[in-house]
This record gives sequence, structure tokens and C-alpha cells, in this order.
Amino acid sequence: SQQGEEDPQALSIQEGENATMNCSYKTSINNLQWYRQNSGRGLVHLILIRSNEREKHSGRLRVTLDTSKKSSSLLITASRAADTASYFCAGGVNYGGSQGNLIFGKGTKLSVKP
Amino acid sequence: SQTIHQWPATLVQPVGSPLSLECTVEGTSNPNLYWYRQAAGRGLQLLFYSVGIGQISSEVPQNLSASRPQDRQFILSSKKLLLSDSGFYLCAWTGRAAYNSPLHFGNGTRLTVT
Repeated sequence: SQQGEEDPQALSIQEGENATMNCSYKTSINNLQWYRQNSGRGLVHLILIRSNEREKHSGRLRVTLDTSKKSSSLLITASRAADTASYFCAGGVNYGGSQGNLIFGKGTKLSVKP
Repeated sequence: SQTIHQWPATLVQPVGSPLSLECTVEGTSNPNLYWYRQAAGRGLQLLFYSVGIGQISSEVPQNLSASRPQDRQFILSSKKLLLSDSGFYLCAWTGRAAYNSPLHFGNGTRLTVT
């Protein structure tokens, strides 16, 4: 089953604007991760926020996590054309031992126009 | 530094033909290894994961199989491809405590079954 659901499915903005993507999930998680995928390529890990954290920053990225609402948001500030990609959230779930898995959403397709 | 290699990059195969996709990881030992499939415009579906040589867990029943003959080698196979096997296949690795570690992806194989 799909753990993460990103919203919106597609987002188009102008360079320099901020981009906000949201993610909702269904079950309890140990962490929430965000990934980026350029067209036709593999995913690249952006940031991981643990369930006991509420906010995390990395460069132009800001991630928030609200475990009571089972939701997370990814903010990209001062977007650039190079930020054009699909962004996925994934919930890290511990099934016991080392066999935890990530369950991905369908992604938000971000288009940043120069 | 760790790297992951996945090949081939693209593959066109007729229905009923066999399949073998290979993935190798360098620069780390005892990785957890994963095969994901991504249908067009969709999220990632976990197919198989492995926590060690010869240890394979299947997430989705299908005509695909996976093997891990060496610590850092993961192979995805099929004896007879179906049209529905078309998609983008991604290999990934992570360290121990997989649910709390980022996934590192290969660049993927675009499989088209005709």
C-alpha cells in the first residue's frame, strides 16, 4: 500500500519563487525522507527527518514533520530552473531487526521556469 | 566512497523472453539491497530486498525473481517477460538499520517489453 501521498501532483513556478510540497502518510513511521528524481534517472536522497524532530534545514531545503497529522512538507526556497524534477516522500518503517523498508509516494512534479 | 552500478540503461525485449538485470555496489560491505519498479508517472514499488547473500524477500508476487550471489551483487531475473513488466527498474542500497538510513539508487534500467 502507498505510505506517502504527495500534494500537489504537479507544481509550476517561476525561478526565484518558493516551492512547497506536501506529503501525507498513513501509518506510524520512524522517519520521513525526501528524494529527488531528475527525468529518467535514479532518485537522490535529499533529507531525512526523524519522528521526534519537527523541522530540519539543509541549504535551500526546509522540511517539517507533524506526526499528529501524519504529514510533512518540503519547502525549496529561491527556486532555480535546475530544481525541476520530481520529488518523493518516503516513510521509514521499522519492521524489526534490520529489515526496515521505505514506502514511497507517487511524487510531485516540479517545474521551475526561467 | 560508495558507488552503485546498474546495467543495462535501456532494454527492449519481446514478450516471453528472459530477463537479467544486474546491480553492483562498491565501497561498502554487507549492504541491504533493493529492487524497485517505477511505472510511468507513478511512485516506486518495492519488488525485492536482501539483507545478505542468498537472502531474498519478495514484496510482490509476480513472474520476477531476484538473487544475491555475492555480497555486493543483486540480480533481477525473469524466465518469461510479460507486457506488464515494462517499466523503470531501480536498484538501491542502504546500510544497516535500513529504515533509518537513506537509500542510494542506481541510474535505473528502462525496460520495454514489446
